[in-house]
Amino acid sequence: EAGVTQSPTHLIKTRGQQVTLRCSPISGHTSVYWYQQALGLGLQFLLWYDEGEERNRGNFPPRFSGRQFPNYSSELNVNALELEDSALYLCASSSWGTDTQYFGPGTRLTVL
Amino acid sequence: TQLLEQSPQFLSIQEGENLTVYCNSSSVFSSLQWYRQEPGEGPVLLVTVVTGGEVKKLKRLTFQFGDARKDSSLHITAAQPGDTGLYLCAGAPTDKLIFGTGTRLQVFP
Repeated sequence: EAGVTQSPTHLIKTRGQQVTLRCSPISGHTSVYWYQQALGLGLQFLLWYDEGEERNRGNFPPRFSGRQFPNYSSELNVNALELEDSALYLCASSSWGTDTQYFGPGTRLTVL
Repeated sequence: TQLLEQSPQFLSIQEGENLTVYCNSSSVFSSLQWYRQEPGEGPVLLVTVVTGGEVKKLKRLTFQFGDARKDSSLHITAAQPGDTGLYLCAGAPTDKLIFGTGTRLQVFP
């Protein structure tokens, strides 16, 4: 069974640009979560999608947004990139009604 | 603010030593998970504990969930260099999973 997949693996952008990150959950999982992990820091919760709806949002500005598609895959969009957005962006999925999340390998975003 | 405090924050030990990592909170959790993360990669789930007082073993790793379901511990016996990584506990006191502050373990050969 395939795990959570994310693309791209690495991305380099400049300040002010926009970026889209993609995530495919484990087959059968309906919930997708996005986290930001800056170098040497813990996981900061960004967004939670379930059944196509945004269920919860972390303490991030509105320029961080996303969506979930009918096939449960998800996109994370970040507009007007800032230097401090440089981080590992992790996607996780879970099946409905469970707390356990399974993570993808992450997308390393560098903002210059 | 609901927090999961982990201790110690950093741990450097020699191969063959034993160690214990703690995860504590003032909140009650329906379950707690432990993850291990290597640099530049996503966390990998090690175990989920759901019952107060539960003990789970995974080879040389022993996980315990506190009776009151507010804390957990991870004990590694005879640590190996391959155990090196960031260990994270996580739980969902509400509808959002929160992660512990992390314990960075380095095992030297």
